[in-house]
Amino acid sequence: GQNIDQPTEMTATEGAIVQINCTYQTSGFNGLFWYQQHAGEAPTFLSYNVLDGLEEKGRFSSFLSRSKGYSYLLLKELQMKDSASYLCAVRDAEAGTYKYIFGTGTRLKVLA
Amino acid sequence: EPEVTQTPSHQVTQMGQEVILRCVPISNHLYFYWYRQILGQKVEFLVSFYNNEISEKSEIFDDQFSVERPDGSNFTLKIRSTKLEDSAMYFCAGNTGTGTDTQYFGPGTRLTVL
Repeated sequence: GQNIDQPTEMTATEGAIVQINCTYQTSGFNGLFWYQQHAGEAPTFLSYNVLDGLEEKGRFSSFLSRSKGYSYLLLKELQMKDSASYLCAVRDAEAGTYKYIFGTGTRLKVLA
Repeated sequence: EPEVTQTPSHQVTQMGQEVILRCVPISNHLYFYWYRQILGQKVEFLVSFYNNEISEKSEIFDDQFSVERPDGSNFTLKIRSTKLEDSAMYFCAGNTGTGTDTQYFGPGTRLTVL
């Protein structure tokens, strides 16, 4: 089956670093995505990993270990505007077409 | 930068009525998707569409749902007879379908079924 787990909620302080973990189980893994979603808005793309290792994009980095079915999103120098939900999504290509499976999201609160 | 657009932004309908949600994808996108997100819950895949036919659909996408791309630009989701539990945000998304491409989401349509 397909399953994605991530913490429901996290709290961090402005200027700090936070790591949001995601574990997944899928039979046709074809990439892992992180999205940011503010309340009432659409998800927006943050990062993509398909090979093991770390991808860095400014204040955001994402790591993938395919053998462990594990990823994390690292946010540095937190700002108040980073308060949002962070969605882990896996692309599954088992059926020959792409299907995207989303986790429930991690709601991050950044405190002053 | 090109964007995915969706109309209407909010649709209120009576249970049993038909609704059509519209999306205009980015022009060079080839793969199109509909997702829904019930308030406070996760984003759920409904259907993917490529080359004018459904590529894949989830168990949520039953006979009450249909999609089409009638004129090469608009991409529509029709719900034939709405139920209370269809109340949700509906997001359209698209991508070019290349190996490292991600999906770009529209702003969503909030559907409220009374």
